[in-house]
Amino acid sequence: AQSVAQPEDQVNVAEGNPLTVKCTYSVSGNPYLFWYVQYPNRGLQFLLKYITGDNLVKGSYGFEAEFNKSQTSFHLKKPSALVSDSALYFCAVRPRDNYGQNFVFGPGTRLSVLP
Amino acid sequence: NAGVTQTPKFQVLKTGQSMTLQCAQDMNHNSMYWYRQDPGMGLRLIYYSASEGTTDKGEVPNGYNVSRLNKREFSLRLESAAPSQTSVYFCASSEAQRGYNEQFFGPGTRLTVL
Repeated sequence: AQSVAQPEDQVNVAEGNPLTVKCTYSVSGNPYLFWYVQYPNRGLQFLLKYITGDNLVKGSYGFEAEFNKSQTSFHLKKPSALVSDSALYFCAVRPRDNYGQNFVFGPGTRLSVLP
Repeated sequence: NAGVTQTPKFQVLKTGQSMTLQCAQDMNHNSMYWYRQDPGMGLRLIYYSASEGTTDKGEVPNGYNVSRLNKREFSLRLESAAPSQTSVYFCASSEAQRGYNEQFFGPGTRLTVL
């Protein structure tokens, strides 16, 4: 069965420090990988995606993510956290060979950036 | 360009009542989706529509029906609401021409079933 794990329910980081939100997946083949962010009482917003090529993907608001095929991971990173980055972050995958539109989402990680 | 819109924003139902959640997108996307979000469980796909005129079940379709009214609109109906359907419901859309297209989400409907 396909699954996405985000091993940390909550990540706390001080403003100005680097942040990492972890994601690992169990999906056949080489899936497409996505990160979304959800601010309170809002829908999910797309941050970035990995399709192919360079393992380091850059996205919106200074976020980047590193794809590691051998570890089946796609960790979200930012060099210097802002208080405004505090939100709920979701990792999602979609099998590359499945045109059935079936995204699989992780359970989410709540990021708190402390001033 | 409003993106994906949903109505209503909030709704309280009694067990057994019915209601329809409305969703519309103005991005000319082919595919549309309905998800529910429950604490600690991420998003679970209820139904999706790959293109106008088609609908398919997702992970948790029981108790729901959908209608793809046209390319813009995709509605979700609860025929007989149950407390287990208390959740936040999100509609999303994507181009759907290739597998790596991201989804665009509406603001959500918070539903409580008493």
